[in-house]
Amino acid sequence: GENVEQHPSTLSVQEGDSAVIKCTYSDSASNYFPWYKQELGKRPQLIIDIRSNVGEKKDQRIAVTLNKTAKHFSLHITETQPEDSAVYFCAASSYSGGGADGLTFGKGTHLIIQP
Amino acid sequence: DTEVTQTPKHLVMGMTNKKSLKCEQHMGHRAMYWYKQKAKKPPELMFVYSYEKLSINESVPSRFSPECPNSSLLNLHLHALQPEDSALYLCASSIRTGSGNTIYFGEGSWLTVV
Repeated sequence: GENVEQHPSTLSVQEGDSAVIKCTYSDSASNYFPWYKQELGKRPQLIIDIRSNVGEKKDQRIAVTLNKTAKHFSLHITETQPEDSAVYFCAASSYSGGGADGLTFGKGTHLIIQP
Repeated sequence: DTEVTQTPKHLVMGMTNKKSLKCEQHMGHRAMYWYKQKAKKPPELMFVYSYEKLSINESVPSRFSPECPNSSLLNLHLHALQPEDSALYLCASSIRTGSGNTIYFGEGSWLTVV
């Protein structure tokens, strides 16, 4: 099955600086890589995703890059703001013709934005 | 509308009780999921339903019993749970199973087993 590694487990940055979270995956068949933000006591919310036919995707201050050869993908948040403080999960998904998969998550990164 | 609704939001049950968690979506999604999330851990997949049929059971103990009465509803029946089963139970849905389909989570049901 798929295995997703996520680093770092905790990331503290100054407000206005950039934050980068990195993930690697094991299953070369995986082709969908979403990122979820989870605030304390809330549900995971999709913030951005990337499919294997593209290498980079951007949405305002958030960007994701994918390197399929190296099997790693990263989340980049620029101009960080206090409301960016949360736990971020990367995930990977693959579909094999004989079955169907849910998401395999990384262990999460606790992002702390220092004022 | 990307809404997945779960009830109840909080549930406290004894180890001999029988209770159910309910999930509903009206987005026409044909894939529905149950995830379990412990504190400070990522969500863990429990069950996947595709077109109302169970397609994945991730070796979940039989004290958890899923049911999909129709394409909009998903239940999780609970019986003889243990204190270590206390967690946030997340329902989710997507247009269908298969990679590349966005999975939307409900708010979750906080379960405490006493």
